[in-house]
Amino acid sequence: EAQVTQNPRYLITVTGKKLTVTCSQNMNHEYMSWYRQDPGLGLRQIYYSMNVEVTDKGDVPEGYKVSRKEKRNFPLILESPSPNQTSLYFCASSTPGGFKNIQYFGAGTRLSVL
Amino acid sequence: AQSVSQHNHHVILSEAASLELGCNYSYGGTVNLFWYVQYPGQHLQLLLKYFSGDPLVKGIKGFEAEFIKSKFSFNLRKPSVQWSDTAEYFCAVEGKAAGNKLTFGGGTRVLVKP
Repeated sequence: EAQVTQNPRYLITVTGKKLTVTCSQNMNHEYMSWYRQDPGLGLRQIYYSMNVEVTDKGDVPEGYKVSRKEKRNFPLILESPSPNQTSLYFCASSTPGGFKNIQYFGAGTRLSVL
Repeated sequence: AQSVSQHNHHVILSEAASLELGCNYSYGGTVNLFWYVQYPGQHLQLLLKYFSGDPLVKGIKGFEAEFIKSKFSFNLRKPSVQWSDTAEYFCAVEGKAAGNKLTFGGGTRVLVKP
């Protein structure tokens, strides 16, 4: 089954404790992206990757890191989480086909930073 | 830069009522337009999309949307809602020069009362 898998689904942590949220897709998609969802703000892009070893900042990259060593994986790293990073995070992937970008989303990771 | 505005943050209606959700975007060039739906506790799913051609597009579950280029709008409609349409709805735009970047609106929470 084609899917985007995120882990963990729920995470509670404390300020300053490094964490990683994993994302994996089995559709051989080139493009992957991370979003955060906050009430009233919709989804805002954190980072994206056009292909292996190619990553770039989205609209709200501060406090986050990513890596793309393999095509299927795109982990999101919070080196020193802060309470303002409490949010719902979604990973997405798609195959760029010209300019028709249907993204497939993971189930989400709800993060609370105390 | 592209941006998306959804006019209603919350909509409450009864079953069998008609639904229309407004979406306006800001972008000077060619766009692709999307509506995504997020059912409670689930990830985002594509409801419908507009790439080109007939500006009236039909999606899943009886939803449709009309692209009005002169008004920069892409409103979502459903003639008769069901309780199962309770969800959050997101409009998104991809500008041709933006290269796979989706920009989302703030979302509209729809509650359908049985």
